[in-house]
Formats: sequence, structure tokens, C-alpha cells
Amino acid sequence: GAGVSQSPSNKVTEKGKDVELRCDPISGHTALYWYRQSLGQGLEFLIYFQGNSAPDKSGLPSDRFSAERTGGSVSTLTIQRTQQEDSAVYLCASSLDETYSNTGELFFGEGSRLTVL
Amino acid sequence: QKEVEQDPGPLSVPEGAIVSLNCTYSNSAFQYFMWYRQYSRKGPELLMYTYSSGNKEDGRFTAQVDKSSKYISLFIRDSQPSDSATYLCAMSSLNYGQNFVFGPGTRLSVLP
Repeated sequence: GAGVSQSPSNKVTEKGKDVELRCDPISGHTALYWYRQSLGQGLEFLIYFQGNSAPDKSGLPSDRFSAERTGGSVSTLTIQRTQQEDSAVYLCASSLDETYSNTGELFFGEGSRLTVL
Repeated sequence: QKEVEQDPGPLSVPEGAIVSLNCTYSNSAFQYFMWYRQYSRKGPELLMYTYSSGNKEDGRFTAQVDKSSKYISLFIRDSQPSDSATYLCAMSSLNYGQNFVFGPGTRLSVLP
């Protein structure tokens, strides 16, 4: 596809279950970000991947959160033992390279809406 | 104090009005300033980008940056119902790694 693709678009889970959220960035984009957006809040940075460099995990809120990016393309965000406060929209964004990242040319997916009951 | 603050809204204006959206920030290192537009249940899309202080105009949209006051604005002229969305300011710097800091957003409704 032409844009950033995220799945599932909606996920309802029970407290304590694990969830996996997937992001398929724009082909050729080397930088990939995960953000979390809670109701009425701005985008909260979670993690950043750039090419083969070690990811910047500084935004992950706890060790229940992890992410990987296989082959420099698809990324999976995993939340273990989900809690109600994890309910939010998880947004993935990609950009062409480091230079473009600094100019704000992030292309966002439509997000995965997670609800933890 | 939050790193980036934004007028919370929501803001309702009649069609054709001039809209002013504003953000203030505390980190003087920010150099890149952006405005994103987010329609309901969609991802944000880049609307305007400016580097350092100054103005930038694109059609009905004008972005202003005043680094001395740590204040940025987005003006929308001749607002249209299709402009109804949430507007997020964002900023970054080379010294901030690859992170962008986003404001909480202002929801705008333009009434026909």
C-alpha cells in the first residue's frame, strides 16, 4: 500500500492479557516511530527505529512494553500483562531518513485503538 | 510545567472566520516547529513546517514562530468546514535525538 498500515485497527482485551500491534511502514522508509495517544492528550513518544541502529527505547513506559522491527521494515509493539491505563490509540509513523525525520515529515498510520477491560 | 502547552479548545468558529491556534514551549533548544492536522479516527498529517523564527505561508495557512517568546501560532484564513479537525503543534531539535514533542491538540469546528 501507499501509506503506513497498522493492524488491528481496534483491539479489546482483558486486563492481564498480552497484545501485539503491527505496523507496516511506507516502503523505503528507514525511520519508524511508535506513539501513544490517550484521550485529550498529545502524542506520547514510545520508541524509535532508524535503519540498523539500536532503537531509542527511552519512551517506553514500563518493561511490559517492547517493540521489534524485523528486516528494517515491519514493526511489532507488544504489551504484556495489559492494564486499564494502557487503553489508548497506538500510532505508528515512518519517515524517509534521519534528515527527513528532523523536518517533521512523519507519515502516520491510522492507529490501533486498544481498550483494556 | 509541561514542555509544550497548547490552547485546549475546543474552538468553534463560523465559516469564513480567521482562526488562530497557539502553542508555548519551555525548551529553548527547539529549532524545528510543525503543525499537524488530525481528523477524527485518523492519523496526524503534516500541515506546516518551519525552521527557527519567522513566518511561512501556504495558501490559507500561515505559521509563525517567535523563539524569543517561545511561542508559535497557526493562522487559518477563510476557514472552511473541511478545516474541522484537531490541530497538534510539534517541535524538535538536533539535540533532542529523533524525538518530537507534541502539544495536546486543539479541536477546531468550523460551522457552515
